[in-house]
Amino acid sequence: AQSVSQHNHHVILSEAASLELGCNYSYGGTVNLFWYVQYPGQHLQLLLKYFSGDPLVKGIKGFEAEFIKSKFSFNLRKPSVQWSDTAEYFCAVHTGGFKTIFGAGTRLFVKA
Amino acid sequence: SQTIHQWPATLVQPVGSPLSLECTVEGTSNPNLYWYRQAAGRGLQLLFYSVGIGQISSEVPQNLSASRPQDRQFILSSKKLLLSDSGFYLCAWNSQNTEAFFGQGTRLTVV
Repeated sequence: AQSVSQHNHHVILSEAASLELGCNYSYGGTVNLFWYVQYPGQHLQLLLKYFSGDPLVKGIKGFEAEFIKSKFSFNLRKPSVQWSDTAEYFCAVHTGGFKTIFGAGTRLFVKA
Repeated sequence: SQTIHQWPATLVQPVGSPLSLECTVEGTSNPNLYWYRQAAGRGLQLLFYSVGIGQISSEVPQNLSASRPQDRQFILSSKKLLLSDSGFYLCAWNSQNTEAFFGQGTRLTVV
């Protein structure tokens, strides 16, 4: 069955530190890939998405993600985090079977 | 533009009572529709998805069912609620080339 794995459930960083959140999926076909963010008390919102083309995708708020097909990965990165990036981050995969599945999420806490 | 409506926002129901949560989408046709349950530490667990009227795929065995009586209407139901059905339920839609768009969610408490 298809699945999405996020390696870190909790991450604590200081402001200005670099961030990388891992995401791997299991599905052999064509996929669309997403990262969503949920700020405390708010609803899910899209950070970035990959459908095709350049595997390095840039999103909002300075986030980017790289699709590495051979590794079935779509890791999220940000060179320098801010306190306002404290949130929960979800990786999601939309498969050819018209199904969108999510990872368990990574809670990021940025210390001011 | 497309919008998604989900109601009610909160619901408190006794054990053994029925459940009906409704979700409707406007501004698009033939969307893929989803019901998720969000729980701390588990992300969004896919419960049901539908690619068309009357077509429902269930992802996990459970006490819930889903129906799609119209193209843009998706209903989550139960005949008899259990305490373990308490949670936060999200409806979502997408198409082949869009991200998922979420409803406001329903906080269900079974007492």
